Amino acid sequence: KQEVTQIPAALSVPEGENLVLNCSFTDSAIYNLQWFRQDPGKGLTSLLLIQSSQREQTSGRLNASLDKSSGRSTLYIAASQPGDSATYLCAVRPGRDDKIIFGKGTRLHILP
Amino acid sequence: DADVTQTPRNRITKTGKRIMLECSQTKGHDRMYWYRQDPGLGLRLIYYSFDVKDINKGEISDGYSVSRQAQAKFSLSLESAIPNQTALYFCATSDFSFETQYFGPGTRLLVL
Repeated sequence: KQEVTQIPAALSVPEGENLVLNCSFTDSAIYNLQWFRQDPGKGLTSLLLIQSSQREQTSGRLNASLDKSSGRSTLYIAASQPGDSATYLCAVRPGRDDKIIFGKGTRLHILP
Repeated sequence: DADVTQTPRNRITKTGKRIMLECSQTKGHDRMYWYRQDPGLGLRLIYYSFDVKDINKGEISDGYSVSRQAQAKFSLSLESAIPNQTALYFCATSDFSFETQYFGPGTRLLVL
């Protein structure tokens, strides 16, 4: 059974720093992996989606990488800003017709 | 206007009451989902529907039922609410490609 783990559960860093959020999954056979952002009391917004054949995706200051063999993905945020404060969730789709499996998220706080 | 809307946004009810949460989408997607989110437990799938005639149980369907009234509408019912159903409930949609899911803003439910 696929499990998705995100460590740490919470992280505080000063504004301007580059940071990395980690995601691990137990079964390397995946269809795709996504990173979502959730603001307090709000729904989830998809940030980046990486297909199983891809190694990374970039959007602005965000870069997500995927290493299926080791069961890991990272979300790199460059030059962090207070507006980046949110919970970031990693989600894995095991197969094309499978449901998404979410990690519990990392709550990020950027200190002004 | 938002692509995925949920009503009500907040609801307080008493144990034993029947309650319905509604979801509407304007994205034209066939697939719709209901999740609940609890602190420390992440997002868990309650029910999902791949088209109007298709309803499937998720990992935590006990105590819940759903109705897919139309392609654009998917309702979640709690027939007899209990306090441990207090949570944040999200509706989501996706298209046939499964590329990503689009989430509604959530309904915060408190069962007393």
